[in-house]
Amino acid sequence: EAQVTQNPRYLITVTGKKLTVTCSQNMNHEYMSWYRQDPGLGLRQIYYSMNVEVTDKGDVPEGYKVSRKEKRNFPLILESPSPNQTSLYFCASKVLAGGREQYFGPGTRLTVT
Amino acid sequence: AQTVTQSQPEMSVQEAETVTLSCTYDTSESDYYLFWYKQPPSRQMILVIRQEAYKQQNATENRFSVNFQKAAKSFSLKISDSQLGDAAMYFCAYNHQGGSEKLVFGKGTKLTVNP
Repeated sequence: EAQVTQNPRYLITVTGKKLTVTCSQNMNHEYMSWYRQDPGLGLRQIYYSMNVEVTDKGDVPEGYKVSRKEKRNFPLILESPSPNQTSLYFCASKVLAGGREQYFGPGTRLTVT
Repeated sequence: AQTVTQSQPEMSVQEAETVTLSCTYDTSESDYYLFWYKQPPSRQMILVIRQEAYKQQNATENRFSVNFQKAAKSFSLKISDSQLGDAAMYFCAYNHQGGSEKLVFGKGTKLTVNP
């Protein structure tokens, strides 16, 4: 089954404790992206990657890091999480051809206390 | 920068009736794509329908159709014969071509379907 998977689905952590949210897709998509969803704000892009070893900042990159060492994986790293990073996070992937839909993972609910 | 506006935070419809969700966007580009995504209580983002800006014909997918007015920068979603399973948040999204290829989302419309 073609899908984007994320782990963990739920995470409660404390301020300053480094964490990684994993994302993997099995569709051989070149493009991968991370979004965060906050009430009343819709979804906003954090980082994106056009291919292996090619990453760039989205609209809200502060406090996040990413890497793309393999085509299928695109982990999101929070080196020192803060309460304002409490949010619902989505990973997405798509083929690079213009206008193709983005396939979303199931979401990761992160709470930073 | 592109912006997407959904002016209806909440809407309700009776089962089997028709409802239209509004979306407007602002862009200076001529070639772009527009999407409606559905987010049920499970939080999964599900594509409902997609429209290419260069196509004049409105997209349709079963009970879902759009009214795309390029000059007015309007992209409304019509749901016919509404079903209980249609209850969800609906997000309108603009696809930025080139560069980040990001989706620019509206803030969403919560649709309630009454039996």
